[in-house]
Formats: sequence, C-alpha cells, structure tokens
Amino acid sequence: GAVVSQHPSWVICKSGTSVKIECRSLDFQATTMFWYRQFPKQSLMLMATSNEGSKATYEQGVEKDKFLINHASLTLSTLTVTSAHPEDSSFYICSARDRVEPNQPQHFGDGTRLSIL
Amino acid sequence: QKEVEQDPGPLSVPEGAIVSLNCTYSNSAFQYFMWYRQYSRKGPELLMYTYSSGNKEDGRFTAQVDKSSKYISLFIRDSQPSDSATYLCAMSRNSGYALNFGKGTSLLVTP
Repeated sequence: GAVVSQHPSWVICKSGTSVKIECRSLDFQATTMFWYRQFPKQSLMLMATSNEGSKATYEQGVEKDKFLINHASLTLSTLTVTSAHPEDSSFYICSARDRVEPNQPQHFGDGTRLSIL
Repeated sequence: QKEVEQDPGPLSVPEGAIVSLNCTYSNSAFQYFMWYRQYSRKGPELLMYTYSSGNKEDGRFTAQVDKSSKYISLFIRDSQPSDSATYLCAMSRNSGYALNFGKGTSLLVTP
C-alpha cells in the first residue's frame, strides 16, 4: 500500500529555534500534500494545503511566515516551524494525495511530535 | 458550532461486545465520509470510506451514513482488545480534498 514517511518522529528543542519536518511519499507521487496539527485530546486541524511547484494555501489563523511550507518535488513537502515557542508544541501530521488516484482517500504519515522547551 | 461533532468518550466495553461510534455534522455539502483508527502517537489509519448515504461492510466493521440526519456511524462487531484506540470520523465535500475531523472517540476493549 501507499506509504507516507514523516521525519523526524519526535523532536525536542529550545524556544526560539527553527524546526524542519519532512513528509515523503515513498511509493507514489503526490501533487498535493496536507499539513494538520493535533493538540492533546483534540481533532486534527488543517493548517495548510501544499501543492507541488506552487505556494501553499494556509487556513485562517495559521501564520504563513511562521509555518513555512515547501513542496519542491512530487514526493517531498517540508514544514518549517520558525522561531518555535512552547505553544507550538503539538503533533504535526501530513497526508498526501496520490497523483494517479486523486479521488482516493489521502495517505497519512505517522506524525511528528514537537516539544518546545 | 463545529462542523463535525464526536463524543470523545472514553468508551469501555468487554471483549466480544458490539461497539457503536457516531458523529454528527452541520455542513450538508459533505459527501465523502471516512473512519480512521489512531493509536497513541501514530498517524490515522483508514478503516472505512463511503460516499453519500448508505451502508458499507468490511469484515467486523460496518459504516453507515444518513445524510438526511447528518449522522454517521461505525459499528465494530466482536470487539477485540487490539481494537482499543481512538476512532476519528472525517468528511469532505469532494474526494481527495482536505478533511474535516471529529475530535475522536477513545475506545477501550477489556479482556
């Protein structure tokens, strides 16, 4: 089956640093990837939609200058949390839509747990 | 009012019981409905995917969609301890689009 790999799975860093999270589609190409954030005991909330070769579309209330998204290839999207603060600590999950089967459900990665001290 | 409502539980049942999970929603434009299972510190795993109203069965799992009531359900028969997880409902207006998730229901199946 289609596999989406996220890296790192867990990261702890100091307040003020920037953290990059990678989302890779391993055995399919993804023109569209989605980034979600999940706080404890909360639902997944869409942060942004990333389209290969173009600028990401951010949801209302999500700061595009703080959460930088790059989708430079059909198999890789990155989310960089700039100048991270403790309130950015969360579970970040990406999903990818198969270019060949765009109407099928998205494939999810296993998430990245981000802890800012 | 949130677009998707789901009781977070927790729900505790004995092994072998039939589990009923459900969600309500407010946006009548939703046409695609999914149920995901999520283990702790893992990404969501797709269980069921349905379009519009109706029932769909896959092994021990049955998904029901009632668009007139804006109500969807997931039934798990012969529940097993390995079914213990958080179950998330999700829906979208168009297939392949970003999903609107419920908060998730925590299920515990006790031996």
